[in-house]
Amino acid sequence: KAGVTQTPRYLIKTRGQQVTLSCSPISGHRSVSWYQQTPGQGLQFLFEYFSETQRNKGNFPGRFSGRQFSNSRSEMNVSTLELGDSALYLCASSFSQGVFLAFFGQGTRLTVV
Amino acid sequence: GQQVMQIPQYQHVQEGEDFTTYCNSSTTLSNIQWYKQRPGGHPVFLIQLVKSGEVKKQKRLTFQFGEAKKNSSLHITATQTTDVGTYFCAGAGGTSYGKLTFGQGTILTVHP
Repeated sequence: KAGVTQTPRYLIKTRGQQVTLSCSPISGHRSVSWYQQTPGQGLQFLFEYFSETQRNKGNFPGRFSGRQFSNSRSEMNVSTLELGDSALYLCASSFSQGVFLAFFGQGTRLTVV
Repeated sequence: GQQVMQIPQYQHVQEGEDFTTYCNSSTTLSNIQWYKQRPGGHPVFLIQLVKSGEVKKQKRLTFQFGEAKKNSSLHITATQTTDVGTYFCAGAGGTSYGKLTFGQGTILTVHP
């Protein structure tokens, strides 16, 4: 079984731009969640999608948004980028039932300059 | 909201020494998971604990879940250089199904 695939792996953007990150979950997994990892704040939950619906949301500004498609693939968008958005963005997928287990992709390293 | 505290933040050991990291949650957890992240890598799932007082072993790694389901520990016996990385605990609980609250992680360095 293929793992969680995130694209692109690396990205450099300028302040004020917007960016879209993509995540393809493990086949059969219907839940996709996103996390931001920074040295100072650690791993912070952004949001979680199941069946194209946002089921949970973390404490991030509205510039951070996401969506999930019918094939469970998910995208995350950050608008009006700030320097502080530089981070490793991790996507995790899970089965939708039972105990929640997260399997992470390799992440997208976003650098905002 | 739910908070998960993890200590210590850093741990340096000589190869062959033991290592332990501890997690404490501000609320009762439905389950707790442990992840390892190698430098430059992504978190890799190690194990999940669900039952109160549960103890699980993976070779040299021993995981425990507290009786009150609010704390957990990971103990590594006789560390090896391959054990280097950051160990995270992540709690799941309450009505926020699909959300994990991560501890800050313990960065383990093993000196040969």
